[in-house]
Amino acid sequence: EPEVTQTPSHQVTQMGQEVILRCVPISNHLYFYWYRQILGQKVEFLVSFYNNEISEKSEIFDDQFSVERPDGSNFTLKIRSTKLEDSAMYFCASSDPGVSYTFGSGTRLTVV
Amino acid sequence: AQSVSQHNHHVILSEAASLELGCNYSYGGTVNLFWYVQYPGQHLQLLLKYFSGDPLVKGIKGFEAEFIKSKFSFNLRKPSVQWSDTAEYFCAVIIGSGNTGKLIFGQGTTLQVKP
Repeated sequence: EPEVTQTPSHQVTQMGQEVILRCVPISNHLYFYWYRQILGQKVEFLVSFYNNEISEKSEIFDDQFSVERPDGSNFTLKIRSTKLEDSAMYFCASSDPGVSYTFGSGTRLTVV
Repeated sequence: AQSVSQHNHHVILSEAASLELGCNYSYGGTVNLFWYVQYPGQHLQLLLKYFSGDPLVKGIKGFEAEFIKSKFSFNLRKPSVQWSDTAEYFCAVIIGSGNTGKLIFGQGTTLQVKP
């Protein structure tokens, strides 16, 4: 069964550093997403991406965040200057009309 | 703003007991509904989804859910739980038709099944 792949599985970074989280969506999907889950809280939508541009973003997705699809397969989330409160599990997902919305296994980001 | 509410935050059951987890959403128009499961240390896995048609939806691992439009509800059920069903369960909706767009999640229900 096709999978959404995320790397790394766990990233530890110092406050103020930039991090890039990587995702490889399912190859024939056209819609891509990032979500995050702070420990013990619900899953929150960050951003959706379609046709090489952001289609929707939440209030969480401020100027410190950016997304990119640098080539035909990868979809990245960049946090420019990490804060302690950015510590969370970050999930990538992809979907296509009529096809299941599939999540990756997540990247646990720990900001110290 | 649209929201999803899961009434049970923590449920403890013995094996073979029946399960029903409540989910309500606040939106009067068309929605697509999902239940996801997250086993300890793992990612979100789709249990079942409802887009249209028969409001009783069957998913994997013996789970089912019923969409009751008049009650804005999409409750998850399983007649007989197993210890391996111990996990976090999330209800989610997409506003509008189709399978694209942001998922709005409920706060999750932790299910603990005692052997």
